[in-house]
Amino acid sequence: ETGVTQTPRHLVMGMTNKKSLKCEQHLGHNAMYWYKQSAKKPLELMFVYSLEERVENNSVPSRFSPECPNSSHLFLHLHTLQPEDSALYLCASSQDLEGLAGKWDTGELFFGEGSRLTVL
Amino acid sequence: GQNIDQPTEMTATEGAIVQINCTYQTSGFNGLFWYQQHAGEAPTFLSYNVLDGLEEKGRFSSFLSRSKGYSYLLLKELQMKDSASYLCAVRDSNYQLIWGAGTKLIIKP
Repeated sequence: ETGVTQTPRHLVMGMTNKKSLKCEQHLGHNAMYWYKQSAKKPLELMFVYSLEERVENNSVPSRFSPECPNSSHLFLHLHTLQPEDSALYLCASSQDLEGLAGKWDTGELFFGEGSRLTVL
Repeated sequence: GQNIDQPTEMTATEGAIVQINCTYQTSGFNGLFWYQQHAGEAPTFLSYNVLDGLEEKGRFSSFLSRSKGYSYLLLKELQMKDSASYLCAVRDSNYQLIWGAGTKLIIKP
């Protein structure tokens, strides 16, 4: 296994279902991310975990719930989603260094191939 | 607000040269990234600029002017496999990545 792997690659779910997306990184990185990618829109950062602690949560609706059990695994739990949540969900990892004034210096991001989610 | 602008779509001919522009307005600047994303695949890192000037990497080069809030990605000797979306991203003063919507590049024979 190499890089960042995501499962499932495709998911169709109803608005009342509960499902989870899984991400695994084999790069020894210390930070992991969930991004949402919609057609013709910029990547939207959803969650960031650094050293297994959540350091970023960009006002994401509570129907999305992240979990990071260790530095190699990241989950996104989905429940009662809406049709507008249909998108490509990308996981990424990076090796971050603490920069000036305690800010994180985010290195190059390594992305998984994404989970294409369709909410009916 | 913070904003990254890049053209939505460009078309070029195999063997030619194409320049994809990116302009940004952000709260501070700590580097600019270019990523390539083929349809249905993961974005992959192409280049990183933090100082003004041109960085060359094989057929691809990336230029940065911090005073103008401007970067471009130059692709030479275009090949069909270069058909992809090209994403520009800027790291702001809080080390947050601000992303453009991407430029879809279509290469024609």
